[in-house]
Amino acid sequence: GNSVTQMEGPVTLSEEAFLTINCTYTATGYPSLFWYVQYPGEGLQLLLKATKADDKGSNKGFEATYRKETTSFHLEKGSVQVSDSAVYFCALTDSNYQLIWGAGTKLIIKP
Amino acid sequence: DTGVSQDPRHKITKRGQNVTFRCDPISEHNRLYWYRQTLGQGPEFLTYFQNEAQLEKSRLLSDRFSAERPKGSFSTLEIQRTEQGDSAMYLCASMRGSSYEQYFGPGTRLTVT
Repeated sequence: GNSVTQMEGPVTLSEEAFLTINCTYTATGYPSLFWYVQYPGEGLQLLLKATKADDKGSNKGFEATYRKETTSFHLEKGSVQVSDSAVYFCALTDSNYQLIWGAGTKLIIKP
Repeated sequence: DTGVSQDPRHKITKRGQNVTFRCDPISEHNRLYWYRQTLGQGPEFLTYFQNEAQLEKSRLLSDRFSAERPKGSFSTLEIQRTEQGDSAMYLCASMRGSSYEQYFGPGTRLTVT
């Protein structure tokens, strides 16, 4: 079946460091791929998406490219801030637009 | 756009009791999804509606779980005879058509004692 695997956390970085959170997937067909973010005490928010191979999703300085050949959708940001501290979830759409989720990666940014 | 709302935000109940949660989606969104999230895990799909029709319910965790969306607007999720293992965050999301973007509510945290 379809599944998403993302790197385990927590990931701890200093402010202004470069961020990569790895995400790989297994899917039949051509799913759409997403990154969601959950800030402390808040609900899940869509961060970015890509709906076909080689698409790049971007938002708030974060980027991820849909790589079909490596079945990956890694999240990157060039310079993280303390306010980026949150849990990040990689997900893909199943049939009927159901979301299949990774386990989440907690990101901690230290000033 | 007032966002997706869920009620209550927190529910503490004793084992064996029934509980019902409500979700109000964004008004023009015809699809509505329920998920369950346990600590340290990603959400787990439970069921979804397109308008008032429940199109997928095989992922509901047991026959103690049921959901309705009677007029294609708000939805309810009921858990009968709650068990301690039902303790989790229950999330609702809505989506317009085939936009790919699901908008989540704040969730209802259930604690079964």
